[in-house]
Amino acid sequence: GAGVSQTPSNKVTEKGKYVELRCDPISGHTALYWYRQSLGQGPEFLIYFQGTGAADDSGLPNDRFFAVRPEGSVSTLKIQRTERGDSAVYLCASSLNGGGQETQYFGPGTRLLVL
Amino acid sequence: AQSVTQLDSHVSVSEGTPVLLRCNYSSSYSPSLFWYVQHPNKGLQLLLKYTSAATLVKGINGFEAEFKKSETSFHLTKPSAHMSDAAEYFCVVSPTDKLIFGTGTRLQVFP
Repeated sequence: GAGVSQTPSNKVTEKGKYVELRCDPISGHTALYWYRQSLGQGPEFLIYFQGTGAADDSGLPNDRFFAVRPEGSVSTLKIQRTERGDSAVYLCASSLNGGGQETQYFGPGTRLLVL
Repeated sequence: AQSVTQLDSHVSVSEGTPVLLRCNYSSSYSPSLFWYVQHPNKGLQLLLKYTSAATLVKGINGFEAEFKKSETSFHLTKPSAHMSDAAEYFCVVSPTDKLIFGTGTRLQVFP
């Protein structure tokens, strides 16, 4: 079956611009996660959705970052006034019901470069 | 707070020899632990997970890991390395819903 998909695969933008990154989870998965992976590092948690609501947004670095999941399936990560330090691979994952013991399935990521 | 420490940033082995990737965890209670693999330009893939059942966990592609509470370790092993095992490996702990990743170990396999 189809896995987690993310678009675009690559995004180049200029400092100060606004970007949107999209995640399409596995069908039927209620839990959706965003992570950010900087060069040479492990992924870092950003936000977790259970259904339409953000159950944990403690990883969002500041108020320039925002994410939505209005219908409980597709999610969009939005970054305002981008900075060069936002350059990273943004990963999306989904799991069936959420919970620490469940397997999270990852998408291929969106590579964001802020010039 | 829960965390994991991967003790080696790089490991190099010859094809056909054993692989050992070391991970220590810090947790105030029995954690859920995972190993994920990331091949170049590919997504993260789950190798195996420990969720307080059997302490020896078998995963895909011949990998296994043993949960040792007394040593707070969850090392990943494979008896015989294959060229296709070359990748970045992440030890992961999950306190609640989010995953906390280690810094990764890059495995090189030489012919």
